[in-house]
Amino acid sequence: QVQLVQSGAEVKKPGASVNVSCKASGYTFTTYGIGWVRQAPGQGLEYMGWISILNANTNYAQKLQSYALNFQGRVTMTTDTSTTTAYMELRSLRSDDTAVYYCARTANPLVTGFDYWGQGTLVTVSS
Amino acid sequence: YELTQPPSVSVSPGQTASITCSGDKLGDKYTCWYLQKPGQSPVLVIYEDTKRPSGIPERFSGSISGNTATLTIRGTQAMDAADYYCQAWDSRNVVFGGGTKLTVL
Repeated sequence: QVQLVQSGAEVKKPGASVNVSCKASGYTFTTYGIGWVRQAPGQGLEYMGWISILNANTNYAQKLQSYALNFQGRVTMTTDTSTTTAYMELRSLRSDDTAVYYCARTANPLVTGFDYWGQGTLVTVSS
Repeated sequence: YELTQPPSVSVSPGQTASITCSGDKLGDKYTCWYLQKPGQSPVLVIYEDTKRPSGIPERFSGSISGNTATLTIRGTQAMDAADYYCQAWDSRNVVFGGGTKLTVL
């Protein structure tokens, strides 16, 4: 059965970085992409981006790309096909980055959406 | 780009619940729907406007008319109480609606 298992909860200080992993199993890893969605406490779902496993193309949400220091994007999504694991790194953390971060499988998020989700990883940003 | 959903919808058990999602030129895009119960991950219930993933009960259906997508739940059960989110896209970016809390009472 399809499973996405994420890494455990993290507590970070403002300005630090966090790396969340998502281990996929139960399907051919390279035939789907992995998307990342976050949910702040008591709030709705917020799209962060997705990565195609096949060609490593990425699509990052514009909001995250405009936040960072030096006008660089704050988020990087990568995959390791040898371990069928996807990673999401978020840099220059702020208090409003406190959220549950989900990875989710997708054939094409613009068409078929995200059909399997990880259990979520709580990232708390606090001084 | 924004997708507008009603904050809350109430329905009696056994009745039909309808949750709407409106957005500019939504009819030109595909809409997906998710349900999320407290403390759980979202679950895809409708994709490509009207298609139901395997394992999703037939009482869930989706439709699109103009710029409004609708998720309909027929014969609503207590277990259907959840937050429901629509999802579409704009400029190749995924967008989620603000969510609708479905209360079954």
